[in-house]
Amino acid sequence: AQSVTQLDSQVPVFEEAPVELRCNYSSSVSVYLFWYVQYPNQGLQLLLKYLSGSTLVKGINGFEAEFNKSQTSFHLRKPSVHISDTAEYFCAVNTMDSNYQLIWGAGTKLIIKP
Amino acid sequence: DAGVIQSPRHEVTEMGQEVTLRCKPISGHDYLFWYRQTMMRGLELLIYFNNNVPIDDSGMPEDRFSAKMPNASFSTLKIQPSEPRDSAVYFCASSYRGGAYEQYFGPGTRLTVT
Repeated sequence: AQSVTQLDSQVPVFEEAPVELRCNYSSSVSVYLFWYVQYPNQGLQLLLKYLSGSTLVKGINGFEAEFNKSQTSFHLRKPSVHISDTAEYFCAVNTMDSNYQLIWGAGTKLIIKP
Repeated sequence: DAGVIQSPRHEVTEMGQEVTLRCKPISGHDYLFWYRQTMMRGLELLIYFNNNVPIDDSGMPEDRFSAKMPNASFSTLKIQPSEPRDSAVYFCASSYRGGAYEQYFGPGTRLTVT
């Protein structure tokens, strides 16, 4: 069965510092990978996704993620965070079969310290 | 397009009352998903539809919950009777297709059952 693990429930970081949010998945078949962001009191919105091709994926708001098949990881990075990046970030996986459900991680809260 | 529309945005009700949450997906999207989000359990998929047909309702917590999609532009999630443990934020999301296509989330309905 597929699963997604977000290793950190909270990540505090100073403004303008770099950040990495970690995501590992478990699947025996090929996958599509997603990062979503949820700002306070809002729904989730797509940050970026990996379908195929280049393993480095760029998304909105300066975020990027790298797919590592051997380590089954899809970590999210930003070189310099801003106070407006305060949000919860969710990693999700969809396997390339007839099941169209997303398997969600538990989320990581990014806390920006001034 | 206005995005996924949910109503009401907030609902406060007493235990034992019937609650109906409503969702209008993005026009042209074939898939509709209902999620529940709580601090304790995170984001949970309750049920999803493809072309108005329920595909997987294994996430529906119990018989008190029911969902319908009478046409491509409208879905309801009903709880009858409601209980305090149903208090959560309920999200509706839609996608053009499954798999590689992103899910677009509505703003959510915050349900409080007293």
